[in-house]
Amino acid sequence: DAGVIQSPRHEVTEMGQEVTLRCKPISGHNSLFWYRQTMMRGLELLIYFNNNVPIDDSGMPEDRFSAKMPNASFSTLKIQPSEPRDSAVYFCASRAGTGGYEQYFGPGTRLTVT
Amino acid sequence: RKEVEQDPGPFNVPEGATVAFNCTYSNSASQSFFWYRQDCRKEPKLLMSVYSSGNEDGRFTAQLNRASQYISLLIRDSKLSDSATYLCVVIRGGYSTLTFGKGTMLLVSP
Repeated sequence: DAGVIQSPRHEVTEMGQEVTLRCKPISGHNSLFWYRQTMMRGLELLIYFNNNVPIDDSGMPEDRFSAKMPNASFSTLKIQPSEPRDSAVYFCASRAGTGGYEQYFGPGTRLTVT
Repeated sequence: RKEVEQDPGPFNVPEGATVAFNCTYSNSASQSFFWYRQDCRKEPKLLMSVYSSGNEDGRFTAQLNRASQYISLLIRDSKLSDSATYLCVVIRGGYSTLTFGKGTMLLVSP
């Protein structure tokens, strides 16, 4: 079975550019999470979807960040405009149901903003 | 006080050693606890859940102390392959989102 798929795996962009990260959750999972990981702050939850509906976006840093989940098999995280402090590894994770707690993480997207 | 705190390490141990990590949490309403493992430049993966009565999975033992608000992970007979960062994870009651600690790095040497 394919796990969580993320693309691109690496992204290098210049400050001010738009960045779009993509995620395909595990088929049948109905919860999807976007995280950001840095050395300074560790792993932080950005936003959580359940059945394609955003449930908790309190972790989204500011208006430059937006996330969508148009259907059960696809989600995007967009940063516009990007800034150097956005450099981090962005993970997408999915989970089956709301009672189970194990989250399955994708391989992450390593974003560098110069 | 941070919601979940861990000693970042690194813990340097020889093969065969026993090593233990602690993790403290600040919210007494926290109800579920886990240890995740993250290899260098890889994604986190669930290692084990932590139950109130304590639980064991092979060389790994996890324990919960609600009174003192900490959980622990004990690794016996360390292997080179145990080298990784171990993330403490907490779920607060009524929520299903996970709060991660920053992790404790373990380095096992020959």
